[in-house]
Amino acid sequence: GESVGLHLPTLSVQEGDNSIINCAYSNSASDYFIWYKQESGKGPQFIIDIRSNMDKRQGQRVTVLLNKTVKHLSLQIAATQPGDSAVYFCAESPTSGTYKYIFGTGTRLKVLA
Amino acid sequence: DGGITQSPKYLFRKEGQNVTLSCEQNLNHDAMYWYRQDPGQGLRLIYYSQIVNDFQKGDIAEGYSVSREKKESFPLTVTSAQKNPTAFYLCASSLRPSYGYTFGSGTRLTVV
Repeated sequence: GESVGLHLPTLSVQEGDNSIINCAYSNSASDYFIWYKQESGKGPQFIIDIRSNMDKRQGQRVTVLLNKTVKHLSLQIAATQPGDSAVYFCAESPTSGTYKYIFGTGTRLKVLA
Repeated sequence: DGGITQSPKYLFRKEGQNVTLSCEQNLNHDAMYWYRQDPGQGLRLIYYSQIVNDFQKGDIAEGYSVSREKKESFPLTVTSAQKNPTAFYLCASSLRPSYGYTFGSGTRLTVV
C-alpha cells in the first residue's frame, strides 16, 4: 500500500463506537471546509462539507462541526465500522472563488474488531 | 459512470528522464489540478488549470510542466529538473470555485 500515512497521528476505535477526528485550520477567512477519506493506495474521497455560515452539518453516519472562534473542525463518525479504517483529512478554502485549498496532514483511523 | 482516471498506477523513472502522468476526466469540470502527496505532509499544489489552454503554477511547480489542450485532459510531466520526484501524485477536478474536488486514484512515481 501507499506510504502516505507513515507519520500520521492515529486514532484507534472499537468497532461500533463513535469516532471523533479533529482538525485545526489556519485561516480565519476560510469560508468552505471539506472532509476527505483516503484508503491505502487510493485517491481521497469526499465525505462531507460545510460552509462558514453553519456550525453543524449531518450526513449519513457522519457529522461535521465547525467552531470558527477557535478555528477548529471536527468529523464525527457514528457506529464506526471496519470499512471506516482510512486516513481522514480536512481541507479549507481560504477565499471564496478561488480554486486553491489548504489540506491538513490527516489522521489515521484504525477500527478494532 | 463519470469520473477521473489517472494512469499509470505505478511509474518508475531513471535519473535524468522525463516522465508524463496522465489525467483524464469525463465530468465536464472546468478546473483541474495536480497535487503531490508525501508522508506526513498535506497535499501540495503543483499546477492548476481553470480553463482550456490556461494553467497556473501552484506552490511547488519547479521541475514540473503541464498542458491543457483539451477540457478532459491535464497531463503532468515530471522533468529531470525535479530533484526529489518520488511521491504519490494526485489529479483532481472541480466544477467551479468553492466546490469540492473529485480526485483520481493516484500515480505512485519512484526514481530508480
